[in-house]
Amino acid sequence: DADVTQTPRNRITKTGKRIMLECSQTKGHDRMYWYRQDPGLGLRLIYYSFDVKDINKGEISDGYSVSRQAQAKFSLSLESAIPNQTALYFCATSSAEGKDNQPQHFGDGTRLSIL
Amino acid sequence: TQLLEQSPQFLSIQEGENLTVYCNSSSVFSSLQWYRQEPGEGPVLLVTVVTGGEVKKLKRLTFQFGDARKDSSLHITAAQPGDTGLYLCAGDETGFQKLVFGTGTRLLVSP
Repeated sequence: DADVTQTPRNRITKTGKRIMLECSQTKGHDRMYWYRQDPGLGLRLIYYSFDVKDINKGEISDGYSVSRQAQAKFSLSLESAIPNQTALYFCATSSAEGKDNQPQHFGDGTRLSIL
Repeated sequence: TQLLEQSPQFLSIQEGENLTVYCNSSSVFSSLQWYRQEPGEGPVLLVTVVTGGEVKKLKRLTFQFGDARKDSSLHITAAQPGDTGLYLCAGDETGFQKLVFGTGTRLLVSP
């Protein structure tokens, strides 16, 4: 079983709809992240959470919200989807042990298309 | 603002050739990581470099962190088709795992 699971893997929806992307992990990591990936732009950080009570905006948080329901679950919502939010979305986790050098572990992504 | 620029953006080579990918920034990073991503999957960590001037080797892959900790390079010797993928560098400015990713280098190695 995957350590970081994203659902759904693919989603096509219409402009204006509310969408929730879910991420769950079995790695026991405190830190979780949401990124979007667009061709030629790499990965850009949307939101991150260093523990259940900690939520922080990333580089491109406008139009998105998150919820950290438990250590293992971190969901991303698009309240009113727009076409330029069409992208590949990744959830990642990392251990809080040690100040740095910890790898981030990624799910396999959600491909989201907004028509 | 994109803090990490990778070059080249795309590289298509024949099996057995050598190549170098560059990751450059004007910012200083406490550490820098390299990831490889294959289609339909998330990025997977290859290496982390921490000290300025540090060189790490992973089989045919050699990673170097610049002396000023602003840039890094990835050199692949005798590339193989299995090396095909998207290579991403990611810098940690704060030391608390808030990464900034590079623009990516897509590598295609043909038999």
